[in-house]
Amino acid sequence: ETGVTQTPRHLVMGMTNKKSLKCEQHLGHNAMYWYKQSAKKPLELMFVYNFKEQTENNSVPSRFSPECPNSSHLFLHLHTLQPEDSALYLCASSQVPRKLDYGYTFGSGTRLTVV
Amino acid sequence: RKEVEQDPGPFNVPEGATVAFNCTYSNSASQSFFWYRQDCRKEPKLLMSVYSSGNEDGRFTAQLNRASQYISLLIRDSKLSDSATYLCVVRYTGNQFYFGTGTSLTVIP
Repeated sequence: ETGVTQTPRHLVMGMTNKKSLKCEQHLGHNAMYWYKQSAKKPLELMFVYNFKEQTENNSVPSRFSPECPNSSHLFLHLHTLQPEDSALYLCASSQVPRKLDYGYTFGSGTRLTVV
Repeated sequence: RKEVEQDPGPFNVPEGATVAFNCTYSNSASQSFFWYRQDCRKEPKLLMSVYSSGNEDGRFTAQLNRASQYISLLIRDSKLSDSATYLCVVRYTGNQFYFGTGTSLTVIP
């Protein structure tokens, strides 16, 4: 059982819909991330939150809107998506700073299909 | 230019074989290195960190060559359960991690 929980596991939405992805971490970490994984491409970092503050936004279109109400919860609000946005969306958390580098813990992801 | 490059494979090896994957990274200021494993339709999971002196965890050995900017993963005595995609991950300064596209391994009975 992962310490990072994502819901829903699967989502099919139309291009005019609004939906939200939810992520919750139970590890006491202070940093959370959204990644996008498309077929044949490396994981793409979308957003980074340290201590609830957004520290990075990697040129993500405004149809993706993150929200981090506290250090344990992270949302990704979606609206007017395009079919090319269909992908696996992964949430991750980590502890920063850290003496020994343990990398990320990932959630199981939301597989999104835009129709 | 990709930050992290891996041979996508696929690597198809018989049970019991030894297989090695390499990965190269572009930024010489990279600080931390990892191998992650990702099973089909699942999330990536940390397999092992990679240290400058090299490190071993059971049948898995990771090596780092900073001069040549590459990382390797050696799997000995391959098991069917080792079939997965192996992701090379590099961290620069801060929290930015860069992922390779992954190397696909299938262990054949």
